[in-house]
Amino acid sequence: DAKTTQPPSMDCAEGRAANLPCNHSTISGNEYVYWYRQIHSQGPQYIIHGLKNNETNEMASLIITEDRKSSTLILPHATLRDTAVYYCIVRVATTGGFKTIFGAGTRLFVKA
Amino acid sequence: DTEVTQTPKHLVMGMTNKKSLKCEQHMGHRAMYWYKQKAKKPPELMFVYSYEKLSINESVPSRFSPECPNSSLLNLHLHALQPEDSALYLCASSQGRGSTDTQYFGPGTRLTVL
Repeated sequence: DAKTTQPPSMDCAEGRAANLPCNHSTISGNEYVYWYRQIHSQGPQYIIHGLKNNETNEMASLIITEDRKSSTLILPHATLRDTAVYYCIVRVATTGGFKTIFGAGTRLFVKA
Repeated sequence: DTEVTQTPKHLVMGMTNKKSLKCEQHMGHRAMYWYKQKAKKPPELMFVYSYEKLSINESVPSRFSPECPNSSLLNLHLHALQPEDSALYLCASSQGRGSTDTQYFGPGTRLTVL
């Protein structure tokens, strides 16, 4: 079962910041939070990941709460091309190795 | 270069056919993955290969048979599929480093079973 919960959909105006929340209240100490997005019928695209510190790259920022039970992905200036399904993922340790279990994701609509 | 390639892009097959999906990466990654994605659903993990050995099989029916001939290639052999197996099949690869291990996905093969 996925270890994350996200709102099913969100809207954002073009040029504004998009803030996508994720709850991962059962996360373990060594489990990283990953964000991917999937534009219609394409393969998922890696965005960013983090453990406990906030992270920023050329695509987005990731803010993780101090207790690590939730995080927020921030797209600072959303464009129409950012319309996609955004997945927040916690990789789960198993006897066979680490598994990436996708949750339902958030469908982000960026509107002109 | 973070490219994972998959062939074919589209595949239509009958229930009695045998076909194969192919995936290739040249990033030196040692872990490779197959996922299945139905319409409007998230990807579901099927198989994980780590250092060319099958490490995770998510109880996938035997009509799906993975193969990892070398560290750059991953195949998925298909036989006697059912119409409900129609889906987007995604391949991914990663360095195989454990908890912090970024996966890179291919564009997928859209499979239709008639």
